[in-house]
Amino acid sequence: AQKVTQAQTEISVVEKEDVTLDCVYETRDTTYYLFWYKQPPSGELVFLIRRNSFDEQNEISGRYSWNFQKSTSSFNFTITASQVVDSAVYFCALSEPYNFNKFYFGSGTKLNVKP
Amino acid sequence: DAGITQSPRHKVTETGTPVTLRCHQTENHRYMYWYRQDPGHGLRLIHYSYGVKDTDKGEVSDGYSVSRSKTEDFLLTLESATSSQTSVYFCAISDGGRTYNEQFFGPGTRLTVL
Repeated sequence: AQKVTQAQTEISVVEKEDVTLDCVYETRDTTYYLFWYKQPPSGELVFLIRRNSFDEQNEISGRYSWNFQKSTSSFNFTITASQVVDSAVYFCALSEPYNFNKFYFGSGTKLNVKP
Repeated sequence: DAGITQSPRHKVTETGTPVTLRCHQTENHRYMYWYRQDPGHGLRLIHYSYGVKDTDKGEVSDGYSVSRSKTEDFLLTLESATSSQTSVYFCAISDGGRTYNEQFFGPGTRLTVL
């Protein structure tokens, strides 16, 4: 069965610290996608990144970077030099593209960045 | 931004009353989904649709029904609301991989059942 685990319920850091959000997934599919979404205090869900199961290259986008390791079934998200605006709940999700594109979400990690 | 609207955005109702939430999209995406978001659970799939009149259950479908009579509209109905259905409900859409397969989310509906 598909499952996504975000073991960190809440993390607090001081501005400019680096922080890594962990995501571990389970699936029997060989083709799948992994996602990160951000939910700021305003409540909307914002897409951050998509990674397919055949592409293990790490990705960097400004202060954000993602580390995908199939060997450990992990897709971790690092924010470098955190800012107060990064305060949000972050969700990791796994999709089944050949099963109606259903998504499985982790329970989320709440990130508090203090000035 | 993907064209997804949800109505109402907030609703307070009493136990035992029927409630219908509406999701409307202007993207002509094939797939539509209803989730509920509760503390400690993330987003859980209630029902989804893979075409007009084609729907199926998700992991938390008890007490909910859906209908999709047009591509652009996906309705979620609570036949007899209970306090355990107090939650934030999100609608999402996806083109199923024709471009990028991520799901795009509506703004959410906060439902309180007293």
